[in-house]
Amino acid sequence: NAGVTQTPKFQVLKTGQSMTLQCAQDMNHEYMSWYRQDPGMGLRLIHYSVGAGITDQGEVPNGYNVSRSTTEDFPLRLLSAAPSQTSVYFCASSRTGELFFGEGSRLTVL
Amino acid sequence: EDQVTQSPEALRLQEGESSSLNCSYTVSGLRGLFWYRQDPGKGPEFLFTLYSAGEEKEKERLKATLTKKESFLHITAPKPEDSATYLCAVESTGANSKLTFGKGITLSVRP
Repeated sequence: NAGVTQTPKFQVLKTGQSMTLQCAQDMNHEYMSWYRQDPGMGLRLIHYSVGAGITDQGEVPNGYNVSRSTTEDFPLRLLSAAPSQTSVYFCASSRTGELFFGEGSRLTVL
Repeated sequence: EDQVTQSPEALRLQEGESSSLNCSYTVSGLRGLFWYRQDPGKGPEFLFTLYSAGEEKEKERLKATLTKKESFLHITAPKPEDSATYLCAVESTGANSKLTFGKGITLSVRP
């Protein structure tokens, strides 16, 4: 009963490096999304997808790319990491409104 | 612009001391209001969805209520295991429907 699986759980990057946060769900949900969570702020939407082949920008998309080639997977790519991208990232999926979240990926950019 | 304000920011209760958490919101049209629980180092976990004013939902020691301007999460006789951060989110109606989260309320229940 995996639900939403995120990898890695922890990552340290240097400024300018690139990386991909992986997200997979086994609930056959069409909707998937990425959020970032920073101290003193609510969860903020980065990108979302309503189905395979369809992606759109959320509230804070700059510096991030996504793709959705399958229903199950929704990776988040950081093209050139910046210290401002230090955060905890959550992937979530949904069928009927309520979101199912992964455990989170804590990213530190030095 | 949709806004969600949760209060207080933090709440410390003694075991058995009932209280309420507040979520005030402004949105052009409400599709749904969601409550989540988040434990340290974990992702948020869905608790309730409320759709219209007057609606109430219960789960164990938690009861969520909704008016046209705010929602309350009532905690009756809390236990230490209820300690967590509680998040409120509203989903707006319309073609560009979106979900807006509040900053959360950190609840600590002492034995």
